Amino acid sequence: ETGVTQTPRHLVMGMTNKKSLKCEQHLGHNAMYWYKQSAKKPLELMFVYNFKEQTENNSVPSRFSPECPNSSHLFLHLHTLQPEDSALYLCASSQGGTSGGTDTQYFGPGTRLTVL
Amino acid sequence: QKEVEQDPGPLSVPEGAIVSLNCTYSNSAFQYFMWYRQYSRKGPELLMYTYSSGNKEDGRFTAQVDKSSKYISLFIRDSQPSDSATYLCAMTGSLTGGGNKLTFGTGTQLKVEL
Repeated sequence: ETGVTQTPRHLVMGMTNKKSLKCEQHLGHNAMYWYKQSAKKPLELMFVYNFKEQTENNSVPSRFSPECPNSSHLFLHLHTLQPEDSALYLCASSQGGTSGGTDTQYFGPGTRLTVL
Repeated sequence: QKEVEQDPGPLSVPEGAIVSLNCTYSNSAFQYFMWYRQYSRKGPELLMYTYSSGNKEDGRFTAQVDKSSKYISLFIRDSQPSDSATYLCAMTGSLTGGGNKLTFGTGTQLKVEL
């Protein structure tokens, strides 16, 4: 596997379900991100982790709960979601830290989430 | 007012045309400007980035930044059907140190027709 992978690619869940999205990066990066992409809207940054520490929570509702056990893996735990949470959830990674260069972000293919 | 404005399109051009994609922004703190390409059912992939004002060329792609006008452009020469995708502009004030916040435009959907 190369780059940034995300599983599952598609997920349909009811409002009372609990599910998790998984992201794994194979780039040796130290920073990881969750974004939400809805139709006709810009990508919305949700969470940022740098060296496993959460550095950004962009006022995301508590029904979304991130977890970063190590620099290669990032999870997004979902519970009691609403239909308006249906979107493409993208994970990204970047070198992070004090790389001294430009810290460009590389994206995974996304998980298409539908909340019924 | 959105921080970054981008015409969503769709933009349809014939093969071989020169394509111009644009974004305007309001935050004068933005210093790094990026263009991402997103194919259907895929994540965005970085095409190129530019620091501050000026031009940058990479093959058929040229990025321009005019900070005085808060206006950025991506030009695609000799457009091909394989260029059909959504193009997202993104920008940030800092691109070092990790965990940088990018502000994105909504994306412009481009279709290059045979």
